[in-house]
Amino acid sequence: QVQLQQPGAELVKPGASVKLSCKASGYTFTSHWMHWVKVRPGQGFEWIGEINPSNGGANYNEKFKRKATLTVDKSSSTAYMQVSSLTSEDSAVYYCTTDYGNPWFAYWGQGTLVTVSA
Amino acid sequence: DIVLTQSPASLAVSLGQRATISCKASQSVDFDGDSFMNWYQQKPGQPPKLLIYAASNLESGIPARFSGSGSGTDFTLNIHPVEEEDAATYYCQQSNEDPYTFGGGTKLEIK
Repeated sequence: QVQLQQPGAELVKPGASVKLSCKASGYTFTSHWMHWVKVRPGQGFEWIGEINPSNGGANYNEKFKRKATLTVDKSSSTAYMQVSSLTSEDSAVYYCTTDYGNPWFAYWGQGTLVTVSA
Repeated sequence: DIVLTQSPASLAVSLGQRATISCKASQSVDFDGDSFMNWYQQKPGQPPKLLIYAASNLESGIPARFSGSGSGTDFTLNIHPVEEEDAATYYCQQSNEDPYTFGGGTKLEIK
């Protein structure tokens, strides 16, 4: 079955960067786009962007173009998202989700809670 | 960006009754005869769960008491009859246009 494994939490200092991981299993990793979504209480869901694991090509929400960088490691079926220059506004739960070839999100990771604090 | 406005923000429904949630898009999410609107359920500490895709299609494994309808800019999620386990927050999401966007959520309480 399709599984997306994400670390539960990351504590990072303001101004630093963090690289979040999403390890996929149960399907052919390179066949389907991986998406990343940010969720903050009171702020709702924000789609950050998507990456094609077969060639590394990515599309970003304009709002996150200078904040997030999506990459993949095909050898380990893992997608990554680096979030840079962290501020309190970046404290959130970040989910990876694959579209599995469809324009909807049937499979989600458990999410990584990022806390930005000195 | 396409803005999705959900209403109400919260509602309380008696066990066995009907819950109706509305999602209005700032522009059409239809393309080539399909409506690119999806619905999710989220419970605390869990990722979202897909309920309805393409406006009215029930995801595999989701109980038939969930149904979706609508096209263009107006969409509705119905839950009938409501059960205790349906207490959650529900979100609409459009995938017709980048960036994909989500509604603000509707919190459902079961009376």
